[in-house]
Amino acid sequence: NAGVMQNPRHLVRRRGQEARLRCSPVKGHSHVYWYRQLPEEGLKFMVYLQKENIIDESGMPKERFSAEFPKEGPSILRIQQVVRGDSAAYFCASSPDQRGSHNEQFFGPGTRLTVL
Amino acid sequence: GNSVTQMEGPVTLSEEAFLTINCTYTATGYPSLFWYVQYPGEGLQLLLKATKADDKGSNKGFEATYRKETTSFHLEKGSVQVSDSAVYFCALTRGGAQKLVFGQGTRLTINP
Repeated sequence: NAGVMQNPRHLVRRRGQEARLRCSPVKGHSHVYWYRQLPEEGLKFMVYLQKENIIDESGMPKERFSAEFPKEGPSILRIQQVVRGDSAAYFCASSPDQRGSHNEQFFGPGTRLTVL
Repeated sequence: GNSVTQMEGPVTLSEEAFLTINCTYTATGYPSLFWYVQYPGEGLQLLLKATKADDKGSNKGFEATYRKETTSFHLEKGSVQVSDSAVYFCALTRGGAQKLVFGQGTRLTINP
């Protein structure tokens, strides 16, 4: 059983470039969450998606950041025109399609983004 | 809003010592509570959880009890090992929102 997969594991970008982070959830999971971990800090929620829908993007910066979870393929977190403050570890998590509020979220290994 | 406050780290203990990492929360209603562990260079792994008041979550010798009266979910282990060295995160989910709200994390180092 494959867990949540993220790629790349490490990504280096220069200021102004685009960063594209991919997340493949656990097979059969239709809920995906993205979190950001700044150095020496806890994880902060960014966005929650179900297939083809954004359910909650309350933690997403209003500009330069976008996320999608298409019907086919991985979820993508896209950061346009990156700045040094975007340097962080970005974690994806997935959970199964069950009603209720107690579903465990399974985390991927993260993508560590460094902006030069 | 919902929030989680953890005991500040870093925490350094000797092997076989008793461990407590404090966690308190603020939330409306009845959140579910979690402890996650992050080993160096890895993602988060669920350590244990509790979904209602007075529930005790346990795993790998770690325990935490959901105390509604004190809004706490302290993590304990009777005898720590070097392999327990990691960062520990307390977290909650609230209602249908499902997003996890994390504490700031506590770095634990166990010396042989």
